[in-house]
Amino acid sequence: SAVISQKPSRDICQRGTSLTIQCQVDSQVTMMFWYRQQPGQSLTLIATANQGSEATYESGFVIDKFPISRPNLTFSTLTVSNMSPEDSSIYLCSAQGGLVYNEQFFGPGTRLTVL
Amino acid sequence: GDSVTQMEGPVTLSEEAFLTINCTYTATGYPSLFWYVQYPGEGLQLLLKATKADDKGSNKGFEATYRKETTSFHLEKGSVQVSDSAVYFCALTARGGNKLTFGTGTQLKVEL
Repeated sequence: SAVISQKPSRDICQRGTSLTIQCQVDSQVTMMFWYRQQPGQSLTLIATANQGSEATYESGFVIDKFPISRPNLTFSTLTVSNMSPEDSSIYLCSAQGGLVYNEQFFGPGTRLTVL
Repeated sequence: GDSVTQMEGPVTLSEEAFLTINCTYTATGYPSLFWYVQYPGEGLQLLLKATKADDKGSNKGFEATYRKETTSFHLEKGSVQVSDSAVYFCALTARGGNKLTFGTGTQLKVEL
């Protein structure tokens, strides 16, 4: 299985600022994804991080608010821009397509609180 | 579009009780089905999966059978332990796809 780490694990930020979350996988994977889990809610896919090209965003999420990078097959970043208290969530990175097809592994998440 | 419906929680059981968490889905074709678990303060972990009709996924005493005729994937365990207290998510991916669609999650609390 893939081991995924995220940094930071948690942060408290001020309204109007931006935070970049890093996701590192211990092996090369085909696909990487970013999810949001709002308090007491299920997980919602934000976007698919594409290596070497622009991310593919789900309905309701836009690049200006959630820019994503994926410079190689093991690393991705998600930036939460111009934050408001409504952005307070857990942000999770996941990866798929290593040794086991059709199984996604998740990182531990980044707990973000916006004041 | 695809969707997953789970029974609402929280579910509170005594240790050694039988557990069922219902999950039904709506999807075209033959999706792959998953149960993920989120222990307190931890990330999401894959618990079990099934990729075709009548498959049974199992892990750590938990089981779920892919029922195409009832579009269901109910999670069961014969005897729960306090350590099973967590939030359980049912999810699917469309056949050949990668996007996970999650249910709302069911919180399980097991008491002594």
